[in-house]
Amino acid sequence: GAGVSQSPSNKVTEKGKDVELRCDPISGHTALYWYRQSLGQGLEFLIYFQGNSAPDKSGLPSDRFSAERTGGSVSTLTIQRTQQEDSAVYLCASIPDGAGELFFGEGSRLTVL
Amino acid sequence: AQSVSQHNHHVILSEAASLELGCNYSYGGTVNLFWYVQYPGQHLQLLLKYFSGDPLVKGIKGFEAEFIKSKFSFNLRKPSVQWSDTAEYFCAVVSGTYKYIFGTGTRLKVLA
Repeated sequence: GAGVSQSPSNKVTEKGKDVELRCDPISGHTALYWYRQSLGQGLEFLIYFQGNSAPDKSGLPSDRFSAERTGGSVSTLTIQRTQQEDSAVYLCASIPDGAGELFFGEGSRLTVL
Repeated sequence: AQSVSQHNHHVILSEAASLELGCNYSYGGTVNLFWYVQYPGQHLQLLLKYFSGDPLVKGIKGFEAEFIKSKFSFNLRKPSVQWSDTAEYFCAVVSGTYKYIFGTGTRLKVLA
C-alpha cells in the first residue's frame, strides 16, 4: 500500500504476556518513529530509526520495551511482560529524510487486562 | 528539555463559530512547527506546517496558523468551523534534531 501500515490494529493481552507490534513504513522513507498515545497524554516519543544509524531509544519507558528495524524497512516494537499501564495506542510514523511531514499509520491499540 | 503546551484540552463550538487553539513551545532556536489532526477513527494527518518565511501559514480545509516567534506560539485558527471539523488537534515542534515533540492535543467538538 501507499501508506504506513501497522498490525495488529487491536491487541488484547493478559498482564505478563509479551506482545509484538509491527510497522511497515512507506517505501523509500529512511526514518521511522514509534510513539505512544494515551488518553490525555498526547503523543509520547518512544524510539527513532534513521537509515543505518544507531536508533535513538531515549523515549522507551523501561527495559521491557525494545524495537528493531530490519533491512531499513519493517520495524517491530516488542513489549515484554506487559503491564496494565502499557495499554495505549502505539503509532508508527515514517518520513523520507530530514525534518518534514511525518506520515502516520493507523496505530495498534493495545489493551492489557 | 523541549516541550509543547496546548492550553485547551476540550473545546465545544457551534457551527460557524470562530476557532483558535493555542500552542506554545519552549525552545530558543530555530524550529519547524506543525499542526496535525486526527478525525474520529482515522490516522493523524498533517493540517499545516511552518518552516520559514511568511509566519502566517495556510493549511487544508480553511485552517491557518500564525507563528509569533517572540511569544513562542503557533496558534491554529479557522474563521468558521463546520461539524466535520470535529477531531483532535495536535501541535508539534521539531528543532535541529529529528525529535518531534507533540502537545497533549485538543479535542474539538462542533455542534451542528
